[in-house]
Amino acid sequence: GESVGLHLPTLSVQEGDNSIINCAYSNSASDYFIWYKQESGKGPQFIIDIRSNMDKRQGQRVTVLLNKTVKHLSLQIAATQPGDSAVYFCAEITSGANNLFFGTGTRLTVIP
Amino acid sequence: GAVVSQHPSWVICKSGTSVKIECRSLDFQATTMFWYRQFPKQSLMLMATSNEGSKATYEQGVEKDKFLINHASLTLSTLTVTSAHPEDSSFYICSAPTTGTNEKLFFGSGTQLSVL
Repeated sequence: GESVGLHLPTLSVQEGDNSIINCAYSNSASDYFIWYKQESGKGPQFIIDIRSNMDKRQGQRVTVLLNKTVKHLSLQIAATQPGDSAVYFCAEITSGANNLFFGTGTRLTVIP
Repeated sequence: GAVVSQHPSWVICKSGTSVKIECRSLDFQATTMFWYRQFPKQSLMLMATSNEGSKATYEQGVEKDKFLINHASLTLSTLTVTSAHPEDSSFYICSAPTTGTNEKLFFGSGTQLSVL
């Protein structure tokens, strides 16, 4: 596969602060990207997605930014809450391909 | 949203036994389902793509005789880990797209396999 994670980087933030989680993807042909949240012992949960013809998309408390020039994706979480503590993965898909490839993932810890 | 049910959630078995994991789409039909494997503190790695009515497509390095996949209906895919060994211990997760593409992918809750 393209992006394969090895070890999870970590990010710790104070409750109420904003969080920024970054992801670098490797396949320039990828045209659809998704952020997932995974809590311990559970499957990934869809957060937000973005297509390659956009550079920003907003959801409830979350914003995804896409920079295709440097193949970089970020997830911004506003007013981070303890319930946001989890591992966050970005995933990429190429149109016409059948596979979803996950990035390394980042463990977010929210400090009360 | 759509629901993907995965069963069992936890399996402990002796080395040499076979373990079957089920993945069901509860309120939609899925001609394709995906099976992932996740080691602790690592990302999800795609193992294979399950296709209803035809053979599964395996990723490079995944033994098809070791990880048997059967997609017998539009709502059920099974992964059987044959002759499990301790190195097969991992978190296995299935997913299914609700559309014809693999966008809007919904994941099962995962199965933690521990082989003694």
